[in-house]
Amino acid sequence: NAGVMQNPRHLVRRRGQEARLRCSPMKGHSHVYWYRQLPEEGLKFMVYLQKENIIDESGMPKERFSAEFPKEGPSILRIQQVVRGDSAAYFCASSPVVGDVYSNQPQHFGDGTRLSIL
Amino acid sequence: DAKTTQPTSMDCAEGRAANLPCNHSTISGNEYVYWYRQIHSQGPQYIIHGLKNNETNEMASLIITEDRKSSTLILPHATLRDTAVYYCIVNDMRFGAGTRLTVKP
Repeated sequence: NAGVMQNPRHLVRRRGQEARLRCSPMKGHSHVYWYRQLPEEGLKFMVYLQKENIIDESGMPKERFSAEFPKEGPSILRIQQVVRGDSAAYFCASSPVVGDVYSNQPQHFGDGTRLSIL
Repeated sequence: DAKTTQPTSMDCAEGRAANLPCNHSTISGNEYVYWYRQIHSQGPQYIIHGLKNNETNEMASLIITEDRKSSTLILPHATLRDTAVYYCIVNDMRFGAGTRLTVKP
């Protein structure tokens, strides 16, 4: 089975541009999570999505950031008008749905997208 | 904020058991405890999870106290490649800073 696939692995943008990060979950997984990690820090939860539905976006900045997980295709994390402070590693994880929304099945992570803002 | 607290760092001698503690005193009755590790800047790697019974797999053992307010991850024979940041989380999937484990020769 292919794992969680994130692309691109590295993304360079200039201030003010848009960044689009893509995440394809593992086969059979319908839940996706996005995290941000600054250098030498832990992972910060951003958003939790099901297909066509945002379950929890409490960790997402209110402006410039958005996420979607359409019926077909990968999940997209979109950052508009990027600033230097957006430079970080962005990780995506997926899990299958079993019973309740908060499944007991563990998340599986991708290798991340390193976003650099010039 | 994360519902778990862990020591910032620990050292372990190669070949010895590494015991990594985690406190989760506000854990709910139906929440699981999960352990992950992150080597350098790679994606976190799932290790093990449990609800109330002790668990063991090919990577590690997980010991959960009877009151479920704390747990310990055990790497029975640590190797240099086990040097990583280890995260303990519950179902809310909020990561703390983790424990930086350094395995020394």
